[in-house]
This record gives sequence, structure tokens and C-alpha cells, in this order.
Amino acid sequence: TQLLEQSPQFLSIQEGENLTVYCNSSSVFSSLQWYRQEPGEGPVLLVTVVTGGEVKKLKRLTFQFGDARKDSSLHITAAQPGDTGLYLCAGEDNYGQNFVFGPGTRLSVLP
Amino acid sequence: DAGVTQSPTHLIKTRGQQVTLRCSPKSGHDTVSWYQQALGQGPQFIFQYYEEEERQRGNFPDRFSGHQFPNYSSELNVNALLLGDSALYLCASSLADRDYEQYFGPGTRLTVT
Repeated sequence: TQLLEQSPQFLSIQEGENLTVYCNSSSVFSSLQWYRQEPGEGPVLLVTVVTGGEVKKLKRLTFQFGDARKDSSLHITAAQPGDTGLYLCAGEDNYGQNFVFGPGTRLSVLP
Repeated sequence: DAGVTQSPTHLIKTRGQQVTLRCSPKSGHDTVSWYQQALGQGPQFIFQYYEEEERQRGNFPDRFSGHQFPNYSSELNVNALLLGDSALYLCASSLADRDYEQYFGPGTRLTVT
């Protein structure tokens, strides 16, 4: 079973700070997705990364897929309270049999 | 553009009972996946339906079953409920050829007492 680990588990920062969260695996994934989930709601898809080394930007969010396609990072510049939420990475295993989610990083941005 | 909808929003059941949860996919989507999310954890994949057939399945017992209808909507059935089945049940829809990009509904919060 391919597993995804995320770090840190919890992160509390002040508005305006920068931060990076990580998603790691010992296995290769054909693609990875990042989602944000707010309390009482379902996850919302932010981005899909497919190519090793790929970098995608979504306003203040920058996503990177590792060269070996085993890890990914999410960098947020000048965090705002609206960025608060649970950030989840997810991927499909090599056999196309199972979708795997990491445990998430819970981000709190204080005004 | 209608997103993914789920019903009911909340549900309370007793151990041993059976429950049916419902999901309507995002307009234009043909594939539906179901997930269980325990408090403080990431979603766990239960199964995926496409063309009214179970296409993929995670590590869940046979007490968990599902169905997809011709209009692509889906049901999740759980028999012989256990206390450990208490969780948020999420439905996600996608296109069959891009099933890794999933759009989630708000979930059904199931409490088993």
C-alpha cells in the first residue's frame, strides 16, 4: 500500500508570514493533487501536478512536484486568515487501484 | 453549474442498523467515489463507481456496498453498523479519464450510538 505523509501536522502563523507544507512518500505517484478542506465541508481541489519537477502557481500558492514524483510541497506567500484550513495531498497508486490521501496539515492563520 | 450534492447532511443510527447515503455528481461527471473521513484524519477511499459497476475498491469490508444509477447518481450502503463507522462520508465525482481530479460534496456526518 502506498502511503502519503504530511508535515507539519499542525501550523499556526500570523497573517503576512510565509509557510511551506510537505507531502512525502517512499513510492512513485503518477500524479498528486492538493486539496483544502474547511470544517464541515468536503475537500476542494486546488491543483494537480503530473510531471516530475513541475511547479504550478495559484495566486499566492506555489506547488512543486519532486523530480522523482515521490514528494510535493505547497508554499504560501503572505498568508491570510482565509487560508486557514486542512491541506490534504492525494494520489492514485501505481496500480490505479486506490486513491490515497495524506493525513493533512492543519493551518491556522491568525489576524 | 450544480456541484456534488449529498443527503442527508447528518444521520444518527444505532449499532447493528443499516444506512443508505446518497450522492448526485457534478453536472457532466460520470464517475463517483466514496470516502470515509474519521475525525482528524484524511479521507479513506471506499470504492469508485463507473458505468454502474464498482471499478475500484479500497480496504473496506463487504458491509460497505454501493450502487450507481443510469443518471450517474450513487448510493453507499453500510450494514450491521459499528461504533467505529461513525465518520464523515464524502462523495466525489470526476470524469472517467481524469478520475484523479475529484470534486467533493459536503459530506454526510454519520453517528453510530
